[in-house]
Amino acid sequence: GQQLNQSPQSMFIQEGEDVSMNCTSSSIFNTWLWYKQDPGEGPVLLIALYKAGELTSNGRLTAQFGITRKDSFLNISASIPSDVGIYFCAGGGANSKLTFGKGITLSVRP
Amino acid sequence: KAGVTQTPRYLIKTRGQQVTLSCSPISGHRSVSWYQQTPGQGLQFLFEYFSETQRNKGNFPGRFSGRQFSNSRSEMNVSTLELGDSALYLCASSATTGARYGYTFGSGTRLTVV
Repeated sequence: GQQLNQSPQSMFIQEGEDVSMNCTSSSIFNTWLWYKQDPGEGPVLLIALYKAGELTSNGRLTAQFGITRKDSFLNISASIPSDVGIYFCAGGGANSKLTFGKGITLSVRP
Repeated sequence: KAGVTQTPRYLIKTRGQQVTLSCSPISGHRSVSWYQQTPGQGLQFLFEYFSETQRNKGNFPGRFSGRQFSNSRSEMNVSTLELGDSALYLCASSATTGARYGYTFGSGTRLTVV
């Protein structure tokens, strides 16, 4: 079945640093989504990408839909303590099912 | 605008029992999807309902079922519970069907099977 690869499992950065996360797949997706999940809560949509090559920003967050449609990256600039959480990529195909990566746990040291 | 509401937040059940989880989507949203989240498997798609019809189904056994009502509220049922069913069950709603539009998730129901 389809799988999305996110690595590493955990990332530790200093407050103020930029961080970049990749998500790769062996399958093509029509939509790429990035979610953030805080403890005890459901994932919250950060950025949605709809077209190969698309680059979209949301405040300090920037994400790109890879040209091959098999990958995406998320960049967080000037990290702050509230950026702590689990970041998931998700790919959407022709149907409604989203395929999620296993997530990257981000820790930000003050 | 109220978000996606899931009830109950926490549930403890015994093996062999059945359980029903409830999800109220954002007002006006007609698509409701369910996901199971576990530390080992991550987020796994269960099924999607749109206009009271199941549109897509994931690779889960028949013990997992769902339905959607005319007001778009959805319920998910798990029968003959197993220890491995312990998980966070997330409901997500969208205005229409299709992953293209992204989904808004609820806070989930934490199910523990003992």
